[in-house]
Amino acid sequence: QLQLQESGPGLVKPSETLSLTCTVSGGSISSSSYYWGWIRQPPGKGLEWIGSINYSGNTYDNPSLKSRVTISVDTSKNQFSLKLSSVTAADTAVYYCARQGQWHSKYFDYWGQGTLVTVSS
Amino acid sequence: EIVLTQSPGTLSLSPGERATLSCRASQSFSSSYLAWYQQKPGQAPRLLIYGASSRATGIPDRFSGSGSGTDFTLTISRLEPEDFAVYYCQQYGSSPPTFGQGTKVEIK
Repeated sequence: QLQLQESGPGLVKPSETLSLTCTVSGGSISSSSYYWGWIRQPPGKGLEWIGSINYSGNTYDNPSLKSRVTISVDTSKNQFSLKLSSVTAADTAVYYCARQGQWHSKYFDYWGQGTLVTVSS
Repeated sequence: EIVLTQSPGTLSLSPGERATLSCRASQSFSSSYLAWYQQKPGQAPRLLIYGASSRATGIPDRFSGSGSGTDFTLTISRLEPEDFAVYYCQQYGSSPPTFGQGTKVEIK
């Protein structure tokens, strides 16, 4: 059974960079059939896709985040990571990592449990 | 980007009743690339439906999806106690993938 687990600091100061890692177990991140994505959910609000990466490092991300997003992959560790720069209180959210299909299947079928990141001084 | 509008915002129903949730897109997108998710408090979303009408693995057949173009529907034929949750639609036919704002199905 595929499992994903987010890890990283729960508190980040304004203007700093948020960094999270997702560790995949029970399957290989090197599968060519999938992308690996980040989605966030501010407290009490809806879901927002942040960006996704595949095993070879091809990425695409949400233009609404204005180039603040960097996503990378480490196939040797079966992990992928998110960096979000210049954070503000508006970036406070539960951050999820998830598996995303490719081509005509770009829905998210496996999710991590999520990790709350609070932006505050 | 495509904006998905879900209605109603909240649906108050009793166990055993039928639930009909709507998701309308601001513009048409490729094929029927629409998914539905269920989210319970403190949990990650769970994929229910993809391709507008295909049930994900392990999803009971009381959940069904339909629609095309800009109008999509999730139907729960008979609500079980565990079905009271928030439901989100997501389109993946156009980049960036986007989610609706959610419909809460609550116990009446």
